[in-house]
Amino acid sequence: AAGVIQSPRHLIKEKRETATLKCYPIPRHDTVYWYQQGPGQDPQFLISFYEKMQSDKGSIPDRFSAQQFSDYHSELNMSSLELGDSALYFCASSLGTPTGIHTIYFGEGSWLTVV
Amino acid sequence: SQQGEEDPQALSIQEGENATMNCSYKTSINNLQWYRQNSGRGLVHLILIRSNEREKHSGRLRVTLDTSKKSSSLLITASRAADTASYFCATGNTGGFKTIFGAGTRLFVKA
Repeated sequence: AAGVIQSPRHLIKEKRETATLKCYPIPRHDTVYWYQQGPGQDPQFLISFYEKMQSDKGSIPDRFSAQQFSDYHSELNMSSLELGDSALYFCASSLGTPTGIHTIYFGEGSWLTVV
Repeated sequence: SQQGEEDPQALSIQEGENATMNCSYKTSINNLQWYRQNSGRGLVHLILIRSNEREKHSGRLRVTLDTSKKSSSLLITASRAADTASYFCATGNTGGFKTIFGAGTRLFVKA
């Protein structure tokens, strides 16, 4: 079965540079989530999109932005990178339901290292 | 952690033993999900329990939910070395898409 696809899997950037992560949700899934997981930490919710509109916002820095496109893929843009942005970034997707209960499926993550 | 604490933070058991992990949360929820994560890998969905359910089973997994205490437990029976991973609970609330994770329990199953 098709899963959530993230690219790139590994990325090395220098401080103050910009990075873009891409996420392709499971086919027919209309909701995308972004999470950040630092070493030894739990995944921190950044932002989610439902039907191409931002639905919820978590601890996403102002330097980060994201959007969901017409084909439902999503991109997370990170600017003015800092050393503390080094983390594993997960994208996840789900099928939005009227009851609001969503089983969320995760990609393998994109490792960002800021040097 | 954005939501709550998992208990214990780390657990080491022998193969064949049962492992119980607990999760507490702070806000009202309409569902709670458990995930497994192998080191540096993606999170794998294990089981979802709705707020109006008290217990759910899936293979060797048993999840309970006590909304009055805002807590859940995950029991893995007859553990195997391959169960070694971090286990996270995550909660969602009505009408939202903001599933929040707890801090996770690191499980080590010794062969």
